[in-house]
Amino acid sequence: EDKVVQSPLSLVVHEGDTVTLNCSYEVTNFRSLLWYKQEKKAPTFLFMLTSSGIEKKSGRLSSILDKKELFSILNITATQTGDSAIYLCAVTTSGTYKYIFGTGTRLKVLA
Amino acid sequence: GAGVSQSPRYKVAKRGQDVALRCDPISGHVSLFWYQQALGQGPEFLTYFQNEAQLDKSGLPSDRFFAERPEGSVSTLKIQRTQQEDSAVYLCASSLGRTDTQYFGPGTRLTVL
Repeated sequence: EDKVVQSPLSLVVHEGDTVTLNCSYEVTNFRSLLWYKQEKKAPTFLFMLTSSGIEKKSGRLSSILDKKELFSILNITATQTGDSAIYLCAVTTSGTYKYIFGTGTRLKVLA
Repeated sequence: GAGVSQSPRYKVAKRGQDVALRCDPISGHVSLFWYQQALGQGPEFLTYFQNEAQLDKSGLPSDRFFAERPEGSVSTLKIQRTQQEDSAVYLCASSLGRTDTQYFGPGTRLTVL
């Protein structure tokens, strides 16, 4: 059965800290891995990764995929209270339409 | 508005009632997805539409769940004879194409008493 596992489940840090969120997966016919930020209801898209070793970067956020070891990390540097949210990882596979989500990492950044 | 909208935002139903949840995708988006998100969990895929065609309904948990998108735009998720385990947030997402970025709506929180 396809699965996506995120760790840690929750994390509390102080403003200015750097955090690393993990996403590992076991799926058949991997196509892409996506990261979302969910603050209240609707997840908002952060990154999509399809190739190993290529870092995607947007401001203080960056992500990289390792297709050999079947995982991805999401880094957030110089965290701010506005980064507090649930970060979701999802994987897509060839031949199906579904996005397989992990349970998310709940990040809380204290002022 | 330019985003995905869903209605109602909150729905309370008594066990056994039927409910209908609506999703208005972004105009021009071909792909539409429905997800169920239980408390403390990630979204679980329910079904996928490409225009009006329902190409994947493998995630629908039982035959009490039914979704349609008759004109390839607005979609409705219907749950018949609701049960307590149906309580969750139901998210709708749309994208230009199947592999393009999904844009999520705010969700409908369904509580079944």
